[in-house]
Amino acid sequence: EDQVTQSPEALRLQEGESSSLNCSYTVSGLRGLFWYRQDPGKGPEFLFTLYSAGEEKEKERLKATLTKKESFLHITAPKPEDSATYLCAVQAYSGAGSYQLTFGKGTKLSVIP
Amino acid sequence: DTAVSQTPKYLVTQMGNDKSIKCEQNLGHDTMYWYKQDSKKFLKIMFSYNNKELIINETVPNRFSPKSPDKAHLNLHINSLELGDSAVYFCASSQAPREGLSYEQYFGPGTRLTVT
Repeated sequence: EDQVTQSPEALRLQEGESSSLNCSYTVSGLRGLFWYRQDPGKGPEFLFTLYSAGEEKEKERLKATLTKKESFLHITAPKPEDSATYLCAVQAYSGAGSYQLTFGKGTKLSVIP
Repeated sequence: DTAVSQTPKYLVTQMGNDKSIKCEQNLGHDTMYWYKQDSKKFLKIMFSYNNKELIINETVPNRFSPKSPDKAHLNLHINSLELGDSAVYFCASSQAPREGLSYEQYFGPGTRLTVT
């Protein structure tokens, strides 16, 4: 069974204090690893897709990296508006021509001014 | 323009009732999904529709039935609602997954269902 574990569950940072969120996964036949951001009362918003170990992607203060067993979401000099829950998900083949997306429980990030 | 929309935003109902949640996407995607996010914020796939055919049904009770009148719509009908059905339900859409290719899913704003 595919598993996605995110840590920490919650993270409080001072504005400007850089840190990383972790997503470790166990999946057969990884097709892609996705990072999403979810604000309270809203649906998840797509951030990145990573396909293979060694790949990196950046967007503003966020950088996502991927190894064979885990992914990191690095946040550089965060601002209060970066406060949200960050979700990691893996996509793998689940049979009958379908590809299932399995989510982790998320890391709730709070950035204090 | 809203890419993936859901109605209603909030739904409060009593146990035993039957209710429906509607979802529409204007992205031209081939595949649509329903997810359930429980009180612990864990997001779990319920159904997936590709070209109007059900391709995933993840241990969901048969009280839940997805209906897709066309490629842009995927509605969720729930019979005999139970307290445990209280959650936030999200609709999503993506291009159809293919061998070797993964596509991101775009989510709607969610429907908060409360069963009393």
